[in-house]
Amino acid sequence: KAGVTQTPRYLIKTRGQQVTLSCSPISGHRSVSWYQQTPGQGLQFLFEYFSETQRNKGNFPGRFSGRQFSNSRSEMNVSTLELGDSALYLCASSLGTGGISGNTIYFGEGSWLTVV
Amino acid sequence: GENVEQHPSTLSVQEGDSAVIKCTYSDSASNYFPWYKQELGKGPQLIIDIRSNVGEKKDQRIAVTLNKTAKHFSLHITETQPEDSAVYFCAASTGNQFYFGTGTSLTVIP
Repeated sequence: KAGVTQTPRYLIKTRGQQVTLSCSPISGHRSVSWYQQTPGQGLQFLFEYFSETQRNKGNFPGRFSGRQFSNSRSEMNVSTLELGDSALYLCASSLGTGGISGNTIYFGEGSWLTVV
Repeated sequence: GENVEQHPSTLSVQEGDSAVIKCTYSDSASNYFPWYKQELGKGPQLIIDIRSNVGEKKDQRIAVTLNKTAKHFSLHITETQPEDSAVYFCAASTGNQFYFGTGTSLTVIP
């Protein structure tokens, strides 16, 4: 069974640009959540999608957005990139909505974003 | 919201020794506590988890204990091996989302 797949793995963007990251969850998983990982802040929750609906949102500015498609694949977008957006962006999938009744989340390998 | 604290931030042990990582949480509604191992350049991988109705769980050299009264849970790795070297994260879930500790960088010295 394939794991969570994220693309691209590495990318470099310039300040002010926008970026779209893609995530394919484990087959059968309907929930996808996104996290930002930086050395100073650890793993920070961005948002979660279940059945194409955003179920939960972390404390990030509106420049960070996401969506989920009918096949459960998800994308996240960051507009007007800032230097501080440089981070590892992790996607995680679970069978149901994350956290309820111990639904385990499984992470992908992440997308490394560098903003210059 | 939930606040998860993790200690120590770095840990070095000799191969064969045991390693213990501790986490505390603040929200008594948290009911699920997974642990993840993250190797360099990779995403976090689930290694063990425990639910609030269980006090201890073991899987080969790895064990997790939970004290709901004190709101803390710990990861125990016995007979450590060099391949155990990685960053370990604890997490707590209240049912709405996961809250992660800041990670422990474990180094096993051969």
